[in-house]
Amino acid sequence: GEDVEQSLFLSVREGDSSVINCTYTDSSSTYLYWYKQEPGAGLQLLTYIFSNMDMKQDQRLTVLLNKKDKHLSLRIADTQTGDSAIYFCAEIRNQGGKLIFGQGTELSVKP
Amino acid sequence: KAGVTQTPRYLIKTRGQQVTLSCSPISGHRSVSWYQQTPGQGLQFLFEYFSETQRNKGNFPGRFSGRQFSNSRSEMNVSTLELGDSALYLCASKSGGPGNEQFFGPGTRLTVL
Repeated sequence: GEDVEQSLFLSVREGDSSVINCTYTDSSSTYLYWYKQEPGAGLQLLTYIFSNMDMKQDQRLTVLLNKKDKHLSLRIADTQTGDSAIYFCAEIRNQGGKLIFGQGTELSVKP
Repeated sequence: KAGVTQTPRYLIKTRGQQVTLSCSPISGHRSVSWYQQTPGQGLQFLFEYFSETQRNKGNFPGRFSGRQFSNSRSEMNVSTLELGDSALYLCASKSGGPGNEQFFGPGTRLTVL
């Protein structure tokens, strides 16, 4: 099928690490992305990973890719209340502009 | 560089009417894609335009159409509006860089009464 799957909710304490997981379906996907959406806003591109990489780190964000299992994760270190938002993973199809999104994971950060 | 801009930000229409939404991509970006976001269906791809030509199309009825102008600005049109067309419509422009990143605008919130 075409689905990209994510768990719907995650709750963490401020200062802890958050790990958001995603499984995708298309083994030919070349790029995988993480977007953040705050209430009433559009999508903010956080980071992306090329499919021949296993890991990418960008400040507090670490992306891990397990291509064999088609599993992608986003780790946010030292999570802050400002990180509360919905996080979407997405894969790109056909080298064009078609992004296939997961349902989004709502991250709640408690002080 | 200015980001992706979308106008209007909010729209209220009634069933049967038509609507046109506008998107201005990041300067230098030639690809513009449109997405519909609803609570029930999530984010769904509508279509992509590149150099004034539709390059990809999602699974939406023919009431949804779009076009792109020579300056890369894009419009999407929805005719004969239905209640189910109420959604956030997001536009994204694509860089030509190696990451193939798409950058999104703030969206147009369409409410159909």
